[in-house]
Amino acid sequence: AQKITQTQPGMFVQEKEAVTLDCTYDTSDQSYGLFWYKQPSSGEMIFLIYQGSYDEQNATEGRYSLNFQKARKSANLVISASQLGDSAMYFCAMREYNNNDMRFGAGTRLTVKP
Amino acid sequence: DVKVTQSSRYLVKRTGEKVFLECVQDMDHENMFWYRQDPGLGLRLIYFSYDVKMKEKGDIPEGYSVSREKKERFSLILESASTNQTSMYLCASSLSEWTYEQYFGPGTRLTVT
Repeated sequence: AQKITQTQPGMFVQEKEAVTLDCTYDTSDQSYGLFWYKQPSSGEMIFLIYQGSYDEQNATEGRYSLNFQKARKSANLVISASQLGDSAMYFCAMREYNNNDMRFGAGTRLTVKP
Repeated sequence: DVKVTQSSRYLVKRTGEKVFLECVQDMDHENMFWYRQDPGLGLRLIYFSYDVKMKEKGDIPEGYSVSREKKERFSLILESASTNQTSMYLCASSLSEWTYEQYFGPGTRLTVT
């Protein structure tokens, strides 16, 4: 069963504007972590931000923030003040307390327009 | 700095060949993972290992095997390569706690002809 769903294969945003990348997840565990990664055209996977299931506040890291809505099982990534260098694939992922592995969504390709 | 290295960035093999992809991490991580990445499908877990000589199947283990004889090294083996195994292969490592992120290698783009 698909555990992570990213419904936006591609997104466009104007430079300096904010953009939200959607992610929903499915788990029966109470303890889990949600992660976002960026993959530029060079292919490296860059860890961006983490949200734990018990965290009451939304995680933030610089221009990245995670809009965590536990009841809806969504963990959307918000990028503020988009830059050209933000153009990349973005993956949402989850680790569960009862599993050692990490599962990824299909990804969203973000293109920032000048 | 955590470093995960993979033996090759690009590899071209013929159908039926036995292929070894090597991954080494230098941070004493318990967990190591092999994924394949295909357009539109994201990263799909092939196998992972949570300790030396321990392994568990991921979502798509068919046609692959793995070996972890030392903590720092995790090998992916294609016993008899087929064209549908042409893909990008990513290795990752992490601490065992569910709160920790994975660290990735640069990837190996394998082409099977």
